[in-house]
Amino acid sequence: DIQMTQSPSSLSASVGDRVTITCRASQSVSNYLSWYQQKPGQAPKLLIYGASTLQTGVPSRFSGSGSGTDFSLTINTLQPEDFASYFCQQGHSIPNTFGQGTNLEIK
Amino acid sequence: QVHLQESGPRLVKTSETLSLTCSVSGVSITSSRYYWGWIRQPPGKGLESLGILLYSGNSDANWSLASRVNISVDTSQNQFSLRLSSVTAADTAVYYCARLYCRETSSFRLPRGCRFDPWGQGILVTVSS
Repeated sequence: DIQMTQSPSSLSASVGDRVTITCRASQSVSNYLSWYQQKPGQAPKLLIYGASTLQTGVPSRFSGSGSGTDFSLTINTLQPEDFASYFCQQGHSIPNTFGQGTNLEIK
Repeated sequence: QVHLQESGPRLVKTSETLSLTCSVSGVSITSSRYYWGWIRQPPGKGLESLGILLYSGNSDANWSLASRVNISVDTSQNQFSLRLSSVTAADTAVYYCARLYCRETSSFRLPRGCRFDPWGQGILVTVSS
């Protein structure tokens, strides 16, 4: 199975900040990489797929980049509703595997 | 709009079988465009895919994490189900069902380029003796 490693595992930031979360795959996943946001008590919500394609309805302050094994999710100008957990997921091969998550907290 | 909703017992005894159902609305579960899957999240931990199923696929197109995981479809109710046998406390988790959109699908091999969207709201299942 492909292992997905996210960093950092937790992150403190302030409203208005710019933050970046990284995700590394144990082998190439091409651009088959998705990002999800999860708020407490809620299901994950798809933000980005294909490494950089924004899901419909997701604000443009979210962006993704990368290919192969190294990927990043950037949130520009953090808003109060962005404080949540974020997961990456590789879709290259089955089983689809997830990163362990990054908890984004208010500083 | 596509909507998924999990249902089933929230408490299961050790060594018994966990059974959950996912009711789907807004799209036919028999569509050849989509896979259907189950994912779980133990308390405070990450996400784990348990299995995926394509209605029109053969055994080579579908996958499950382990032999004790079984996913099936009820087309009359537009639902799909999860059965997880011989459960232990380690199976305590929030269980989610989700639709998978995959860039490459075939009835004869595993898909590629999959993403999970949308998800059900999740159901917490506790395994206890």
